[in-house]
Amino acid sequence: NAGVTQTPKFQVLKTGQSMTLQCAQDMNHEYMSWYRQDPGMGLRLIHYSVGAGITDQGEVPNGYNVSRSTTEDFPLRLLSAAPSQTSVYFCASSYHRGTNEKLFFGSGTQLSVL
Amino acid sequence: AQTVTQSQPEMSVQEAETVTLSCTYDTSENNYYLFWYKQPPSRQMILVIRQEAYKQQNATENRFSVNFQKAAKSFSLKISDSQLGDTAMYFCAFTPVTSNTGKLIFGQGTTLQVKP
Repeated sequence: NAGVTQTPKFQVLKTGQSMTLQCAQDMNHEYMSWYRQDPGMGLRLIHYSVGAGITDQGEVPNGYNVSRSTTEDFPLRLLSAAPSQTSVYFCASSYHRGTNEKLFFGSGTQLSVL
Repeated sequence: AQTVTQSQPEMSVQEAETVTLSCTYDTSENNYYLFWYKQPPSRQMILVIRQEAYKQQNATENRFSVNFQKAAKSFSLKISDSQLGDTAMYFCAFTPVTSNTGKLIFGQGTTLQVKP
């Protein structure tokens, strides 16, 4: 099992550019989510999905879109990148939305917006 | 609002010694789960230990143990016999049982350096 795979690992964008962060898991997990990590703020939830075709907003959703067309994939789209979106992004998954279950994290994407 | 606070931005410990990382949280929920995650320089998030609020017994995982004080809303992590590989950022996280989002609420993190 590869677990949770995120690509790319690093990315530099110019303000206004768009891009998609890819996330895939091969564990047949129902629940997938995206977090951003900023210094001094820990990790904050951007969007989440409880199954294919179902997505919802987390704590900091503005400027990001998601979709879940398959169980395996949960891409995060930046529509028009802003310097405030400079951050490290993590995709995470678990079998269910169960709150006591282990959350499997990807290795992260470091994004810089100039 | 539910919050998690880690008041120690940085800590250091000598190899083989014991260190305790502090975490406090604020919630009106009665049932919830608490976690400690380790993030080494590789950036990977690794679950260290998990505690269920309805269990009075403190969780332990090998050299890692917690001191869970529900009334004080405190959840500290003790690392015994510290090893160089324990050098990492440690995050305390909380989630209520009633959560619809599955969201983990994270603290700010504590950077731990283990010195040889």
